[in-house]
Amino acid sequence: EVQLVESGGGLVQPGGSLRLSCAASGFTFSSYWMHWVRQAPGKGLVWVSRINTDGSSTNYADSVKGRFTISRDNAKNTLDLQMNSLRDEDTAVYYCARYYYGSTGYYIDYWGQGTLVTVSS
Amino acid sequence: DIQMTQSPSSLSASVGDRVTITCRASQSISNYLNWYQQKPGKAPKLLIYTASTLQSGVPSRFSGSGSGTGFTLTISSLQPEDFATYYCQQDYVTPLTFGGGTKVEIK
Repeated sequence: EVQLVESGGGLVQPGGSLRLSCAASGFTFSSYWMHWVRQAPGKGLVWVSRINTDGSSTNYADSVKGRFTISRDNAKNTLDLQMNSLRDEDTAVYYCARYYYGSTGYYIDYWGQGTLVTVSS
Repeated sequence: DIQMTQSPSSLSASVGDRVTITCRASQSISNYLNWYQQKPGKAPKLLIYTASTLQSGVPSRFSGSGSGTGFTLTISSLQPEDFATYYCQQDYVTPLTFGGGTKVEIK
C-alpha cells in the first residue's frame, strides 16, 4: 500500500524557517517524481514544487522561488521541503504527492494527509 | 501560466441526479487534464487522468471528456458519497495549475 506521511508543520513567525518531510513507503520511491502542493485554509489547491527521480531537476512556483528548496533522499525514502523567509501567505496545508510520469499520462496519483504550516506573529 | 477555469463554483443536486462540471484552459493543453475529488479535511483523490481515463477503483458513474481547451467531468447518478469538491488540473506545462474547484452540495 502506498503511504506518504508528512511531518514538520507548525507555527512559525514571519521571516522564519521550517523544514517539512515526507516519508514514503509501499512503492519504489526512487522511480517516481514527487511534488509538494499546498492549500490555504478554505481555498483551492496550489502547486508548489516538484523534483525528478534522482533529484537533479527541480521546479518551483514563482511565489516560492528563491525561498523554498525541494530535495529527496532515495536511500531513506524521504522528500523534504526547506522553507525560508516565510510569509503570512504561505500559511496552508502542505501535501506531499507522488507523480506518475509515463506512457499513459502525467498525473498525481497519491497524496499524503498533509501537514499544516501557520505563519503568524 | 495556464489558467484553469471551472464552472460552476458550486452546485446543489440530489441523489440520483446527473451532474456536469466544466473546466476551461486558457490555452490548448491537448488531453493533459486530470480531475480530483476532495472531501473536507481529507487529501485530494485522483478520479480521472488524461481527460477521460478512469483511475483504478473509481466508480464508473464518473466520466471525463474533452481536449484542447474544454473539458467536462460527469457524474451519471450522484451518490451520497460524491458530495465533495472537485478540481481539474492541467499537466501540459509547468507550473501545474488547478481550477478553482466546484463544490457539490446536497439539495
